[in-house]
Amino acid sequence: DIEMTQSPSSLSASVGDRVTITCRARQNIGNYLNWYQLKSGTAPKLLISGASSLQSGVPWRFRGGGSGTDFTLTISSLQLEDFATYFCQQSNSVPWTFGQGTKVEIK
Amino acid sequence: QVQLQESGPGLVKPWETLSLTCTVSRGSVSGYYWSWIRQPPGKELEWIGYIYSSGTTKYNPSLKSRVTIYVDTSKNQLSLKLTSLTAADTAVYYCARREAFAGYLAFDSWGQGTLVTVSS
Repeated sequence: DIEMTQSPSSLSASVGDRVTITCRARQNIGNYLNWYQLKSGTAPKLLISGASSLQSGVPWRFRGGGSGTDFTLTISSLQLEDFATYFCQQSNSVPWTFGQGTKVEIK
Repeated sequence: QVQLQESGPGLVKPWETLSLTCTVSRGSVSGYYWSWIRQPPGKELEWIGYIYSSGTTKYNPSLKSRVTIYVDTSKNQLSLKLTSLTAADTAVYYCARREAFAGYLAFDSWGQGTLVTVSS
């Protein structure tokens, strides 16, 4: 299984801040990396596929980057609705695996 | 926008079998791959397995001996059976649709999840 490690596990930030979350794969996964947003009681939302492709309807302030083993999710200007938990997931090989999540909290 | 809704018992006894159903609306199960994914409390998401609408399946090796996923195209539903439950199976269970975006696979639609607690 490909282990995915996210950091930090949680962070506190203010509205308007720039936030970066990192995700590291134990082995090279090319661009087979997706990012999801999870809010309690709601369906998880796909934000980015293929490491950097923004899904339709997702605000431009979300940006995905990286390839190989190191990836980032950046929120350029945090909004109130962005306070949530973010997961990375590799789709390079089965079993698909997820990072442990990063909880973004209000400072 | 396709919608998914999980349903099933919220409490199951140890060593019993869990049965969950995912009902798909505003779309069809046909022609897609569907997965079950779970998240134990305080832990990362874990992919359980997938099924194609034709019935082809693939499971996470860590659960393969205990898992079966079904699809019923007439009811537009997929189902999960997990046997020999232990407390470690306590989790929020999600169903999700897998889609391809420029060759990259991702789960583009999810249900809200259903909490299953294994306890006597």
